[in-house]
Amino acid sequence: DTEVTQTPKHLVMGMTNKKSLKCEQHMGHRAMYWYKQKAKKPPELMFVYSYEKLSINESVPSRFSPECPNSSLLNLHLHALQPEDSALYLCASSLTSQGSNQPQHFGDGTRLSIL
Amino acid sequence: GQNIDQPTEMTATEGAIVQINCTYQTSGFNGLFWYQQHAGEAPTFLSYNVLDGLEEKGRFSSFLSRSKGYSYLLLKELQMKDSASYLCAVRANTGGFKTIFGAGTRLFVKA
Repeated sequence: DTEVTQTPKHLVMGMTNKKSLKCEQHMGHRAMYWYKQKAKKPPELMFVYSYEKLSINESVPSRFSPECPNSSLLNLHLHALQPEDSALYLCASSLTSQGSNQPQHFGDGTRLSIL
Repeated sequence: GQNIDQPTEMTATEGAIVQINCTYQTSGFNGLFWYQQHAGEAPTFLSYNVLDGLEEKGRFSSFLSRSKGYSYLLLKELQMKDSASYLCAVRANTGGFKTIFGAGTRLFVKA
């Protein structure tokens, strides 16, 4: 079990569906992250939120839309995804985004399959 | 650009010592992390180095040489549960702080 909670654990959706991934942490962390991880590959950074503001967008397609409603929650809204978007989506948090010695704490991820 | 290299796979025997190497080229270097990831699970933090030298944490130690762009993770008294992927991750300030992960080294511990 991790201190970062992601829901759902598994999600299967069609290419025309709209769904959302959710992430929650109560460690008082002010930086939150979304990563995409394909099998046997490293996590790839998608978005960074710092103090509830989007600070980094790694040129992610607009069919992925992040949202940070408050300091404990991070959502990833999905719409019109492609089969190649099937992957494990990991949420992480750290105390801040700029402290050099602050590790990221990862959730267990949402395994997403696009039909 | 950023580049991180690690061996793809390693095999070691229970009770032995294994060293997993990582070399990197990056601008704006701001620290190096090692994470452990079991198959189908989240990465978990193992160690952090920002200054040259060795950091020891129980059975795990990590070393950094910034001038050589080189780090290693040393695992002692290997246990079967240490079979996992070990990710070298570099934190860089490139107009924003990012953590870039290496492809990971899959370690197999055999009896």
